[in-house]
Amino acid sequence: QKEVEQNSGPLSVPEGAIASLNCTYSDRGSQSFFWYRQYSGKSPELIMFIYSNGDKEDGRFTAQLNKASQYVSLLIRDSQPSDSATYLCAVAGGTSYGKLTFGQGTILTVHP
Amino acid sequence: DTEVTQTPKHLVMGMTNKKSLKCEQHMGHRAMYWYKQKAKKPPELMFVYSYEKLSINESVPSRFSPECPNSSLLNLHLHALQPEDSALYLCASSPPGDRGTDTQYFGPGTRLTVL
Repeated sequence: QKEVEQNSGPLSVPEGAIASLNCTYSDRGSQSFFWYRQYSGKSPELIMFIYSNGDKEDGRFTAQLNKASQYVSLLIRDSQPSDSATYLCAVAGGTSYGKLTFGQGTILTVHP
Repeated sequence: DTEVTQTPKHLVMGMTNKKSLKCEQHMGHRAMYWYKQKAKKPPELMFVYSYEKLSINESVPSRFSPECPNSSLLNLHLHALQPEDSALYLCASSPPGDRGTDTQYFGPGTRLTVL
């Protein structure tokens, strides 16, 4: 079992729709959870982090964490073509103290 | 300011060359990281420096040699690389925290090509 798994893509949504990106992790001791966006040929850009169970909202982005289910998600409301990118879920803490463990990434395409 | 800078942006080197990658941050972060990223793959951790000391080496071949001269600067010295080492090399930094790792901010990367 992979340590961090993301829903297989690519994911395609129409402009204005909600994009839902999912991630599960295997280490129950994990403490910090991050979503990075990476455009082709560019470096990862942090868009959200979450530490506590529940929802965290920032503009059009909402991160959701459920530690009991070992599940973290990212919702993008009113998706725009500029949101088209690879989204990386990353987890830290537990046995991975001092480093991030990344999922394989989900490619999101928002079509006009 | 959450800026991490990396130089050069692009580097082409032969297998017998010696070169260095440079990373700099002035955010007062005390942890700095080197990652390697191949196409369509997530970043792969190479080294972690915490308070200027090497804390994690992910069994990286000795042809990659990290150096942290001070709390703002991180270098990666390259020698006798192989073509399969061609990749995007990313530097990141994070503030001190108690959650295993605090938020990591990435630099723009150096695109390395080994001929």
